[in-house]
Amino acid sequence: GAGVSQSPRYKVAKRGQDVALRCDPISGHVSLFWYQQALGQGPEFLTYFQNEAQLDKSGLPSDRFFAERPEGSVSTLKIQRTQQEDSAVYLCASSLRGLRGTEAFFGQGTRLTVV
Amino acid sequence: AQSVTQLDSQVPVFEEAPVELRCNYSSSVSVYLFWYVQYPNQGLQLLLKYLSGSTLVESINGFEAEFNKSQTSFHLRKPSVHISDTAEYFCAVDQTGANNLFFGTGTRLTVIP
Repeated sequence: GAGVSQSPRYKVAKRGQDVALRCDPISGHVSLFWYQQALGQGPEFLTYFQNEAQLDKSGLPSDRFFAERPEGSVSTLKIQRTQQEDSAVYLCASSLRGLRGTEAFFGQGTRLTVV
Repeated sequence: AQSVTQLDSQVPVFEEAPVELRCNYSSSVSVYLFWYVQYPNQGLQLLLKYLSGSTLVESINGFEAEFNKSQTSFHLRKPSVHISDTAEYFCAVDQTGANNLFFGTGTRLTVIP
């Protein structure tokens, strides 16, 4: 497609359940980012990939969060043993090259609700 | 450490009136500055950015922002708003050496007919 696609758009998980969120970046985009946006807040950085290499995972809040991009295109963000504080919108963005000065294109996000 | 402050969480304004959405940042190194807009049920879209050169940058839909280094500000302005400008606006900083954008908490602009 023409833009960044994320699925599912909405996910309700029971506390303790594992979830997997998918991101399809724009074809040919080298860089891929995951952000977490809590209600009433701005997006907060989680992790960054350049092709298949995860170059920065400093924003992942705990070891329950794991992201991968094995073939340098589609990425999956996995959250194990979900907690209520994980409820948020998870945004994926991609850019053609590195971030500085290059426009990042965002998907519509996945709204995760942990009950 | 860096931070981005958007002092106004909500800004209501009448149609055709001017508007200013404020953004201040703190950073010890050089930064690139961005404004993103999020329309209802849509993803974030880049509105405009400052990288270098002229401190006044403009978007295609009439918004402009001015980088003020001494005041560490990057306020967004439009002389006459339209109903279609109703959206959430996020200021963001891209700091030298970082791999990510650092966002403010957003300002919800509501244009009243």
